[in-house]
Amino acid sequence: GAGVSQSPSNKVTEKGKDVELRCDPISGHTALYWYRQSLGQGLEFLIYFQGNSAPDKSGLPSDRFSAERTGGSVSTLTIQRTQQEDSAVYLCASRPRGGANVLTFGAGSRLTVL
Amino acid sequence: QKEVEQNSGPLSVPEGAIASLNCTYSDRGSQSFFWYRQYSGKSPELIMFIYSNGDKEDGRFTAQLNKASQYVSLLIRDSQPSDSATYLCAVNAGGYQKVTFGTGTKLQVIP
Repeated sequence: GAGVSQSPSNKVTEKGKDVELRCDPISGHTALYWYRQSLGQGLEFLIYFQGNSAPDKSGLPSDRFSAERTGGSVSTLTIQRTQQEDSAVYLCASRPRGGANVLTFGAGSRLTVL
Repeated sequence: QKEVEQNSGPLSVPEGAIASLNCTYSDRGSQSFFWYRQYSGKSPELIMFIYSNGDKEDGRFTAQLNKASQYVSLLIRDSQPSDSATYLCAVNAGGYQKVTFGTGTKLQVIP
């Protein structure tokens, strides 16, 4: 696609429910990143994919968080048993192979846990 | 120590002035340095990147890198109210692909 597409754009859920956030990167971009941005804060690195593998999962906050990528394209970030502190904007970014490590971001998925 | 540090601001400058934004990083192995701009409620967008020590200019923007001091800066000349945003510094260690962001500096350009 023309840009990085994320869905849903807005998700309100109850504490304890599971949520799935989807990212569709720019066509041909091999690397995909997930970040979390809490209100008024910077970008917190969660996980990075090169192709379908995740060389760096160091930022996932807990075992309630998981992510996968299939077909070297779409990625899903899953949060199980959501907590109020999971409320944030989840940003996905992608970049092509090689060249400068310049990230193109999607519009984000805003998650609110009640 | 945070990996990438920025003063959160806000930094207020009058219209037409030079805005100077600063960033320090802890990993001496870092190779690539980026400045992103984020308007309120929007996603970050790249302004420019720099690899080598010295200055890199792009229009009204100049990035400065000093690897010995582990310091990156962004100068915005002739600041405009439309430059009012949060500026995020990001660092990458090259072969290791993680890109780490600072918490950002909020810039306010006063008309």
